[in-house]
Amino acid sequence: DGGITQSPKYLFRKEGQNVTLSCEQNLNHDAMYWYRQDPGQGLRLIYYSQIVNDFQKGDIAEGYSVSREKKESFPLTVTSAQKNPTAFYLCASSTPQGAHTGELFFGEGSRLTVL
Amino acid sequence: QKEVEQNSGPLSVPEGAIASLNCTYSDRGSQSFFWYRQYSGKSPELIMSIYSNGDKEDGRFTAQLNKASQYVSLLIRDSQPSDSATYLCALILTGGGNKLTFGTGTQLKVEL
Repeated sequence: DGGITQSPKYLFRKEGQNVTLSCEQNLNHDAMYWYRQDPGQGLRLIYYSQIVNDFQKGDIAEGYSVSREKKESFPLTVTSAQKNPTAFYLCASSTPQGAHTGELFFGEGSRLTVL
Repeated sequence: QKEVEQNSGPLSVPEGAIASLNCTYSDRGSQSFFWYRQYSGKSPELIMSIYSNGDKEDGRFTAQLNKASQYVSLLIRDSQPSDSATYLCALILTGGGNKLTFGTGTQLKVEL
């Protein structure tokens, strides 16, 4: 079955540690996105990538890094520079046409808690 | 002013009633608008899109767009307990390419 797989689903981190969230898709989508969601908040865009080996900062990129070495994969690293990393992280993908129709396909999310 | 504004709710409606969810936006040039539904602890899913002024109906859902007033709404007829979720309004900003900007969402509770 085609879809987006995020792992891990739950992750605990000590302050000062970097963590990497995995996002893999087998939908053959060109565009991939990382969003962050805090309680009572909407989704805020962290980074996005429209093609392999290229990515752009979103609205809240500080303290995060990404790579796009393969079309299927778009991992997100939460660095120690991110001051408030506890949140629900959502990865999404779309076709170029799908992006304009708002049709983002989301993974099930990764919930990061900093201890 | 926020780019997309929604009342966080919760909005409580009795089963069978019409639920009305509202969204205002600040970018007058936005052309594409979307409603996503998000169940608690789950990822969002697209339920409606609208691009032209007026109404667009899909089953029990009707999206309404008024670009002059910069206002988008979602009506849910014959509300069911399974409709209880957070509804996120989203749009593509002028020059936003293929990035969606989301509102904070309105929590809907349909009560028996």
